[in-house]
Amino acid sequence: IFLTQSPGTLSLSPGERATLSCRASQSVGSSYLAWYQQRPGQAPRLLIYGASTRATDIPDRFSGSGSGTDFTLTISRLEPADFAVYYCQHYGSSPPITFGQGTRLEIK
Amino acid sequence: QVQLEVSGGGLVKPGGSLRLSCASSGFDFSVYHMTWIRQAPGRGLEWVSYISSGRSTNIYYADSVRGRFTISRDNAKKSMYLQMNSLRAEDTAVYYCARADVVVNAITSYFYGLDFWGQGTTVTVSS
Repeated sequence: IFLTQSPGTLSLSPGERATLSCRASQSVGSSYLAWYQQRPGQAPRLLIYGASTRATDIPDRFSGSGSGTDFTLTISRLEPADFAVYYCQHYGSSPPITFGQGTRLEIK
Repeated sequence: QVQLEVSGGGLVKPGGSLRLSCASSGFDFSVYHMTWIRQAPGRGLEWVSYISSGRSTNIYYADSVRGRFTISRDNAKKSMYLQMNSLRAEDTAVYYCARADVVVNAITSYFYGLDFWGQGTTVTVSS
């Protein structure tokens, strides 16, 4: 399974809404789709698992949706700390872990 | 609290070897699946290897490292390891360990994400 994220770079202003896409090469169970945020110089952080369930301590500005081959991460009101790189990830049988190539969210 | 501490990175010549360690604390290491992920400079995340929990561990490798890298775990020491042999320039990256929150039963598995990550260790392969 391959994951393709779009756009590669998204330029927005604080307070705006961000919509990030992740498309799988074949249908995947939504239970196995996760999203991560990586800030510069830091390890990735789990945001969403099961396509739509927020991880512990993740604010409700972050939401995930989708099924089949198309998944979306939405950040409703961008804050300065949200400008980072976001990755979608699939958990499967073999290989067990697959990442998308990432979307860079930058300040406009 | 849950912590993962990665160590063992460094500068090594092509063809050389390194052993990375991921020491855990704050949770029952023996019941969790664990994984290694790397990130080359300026690039995205690349999955490297995965080891399940339980008496009969399942092990997986990315094609790019299969036959050169060996993953292992020592539940008594609450640690995971990555033995890296025949290193190449393209193995240069920051290497992260991560905990995979997976529940497996007789019928299916449930994935709750790579919920904790170590801080990463830098491996540089250069002559």
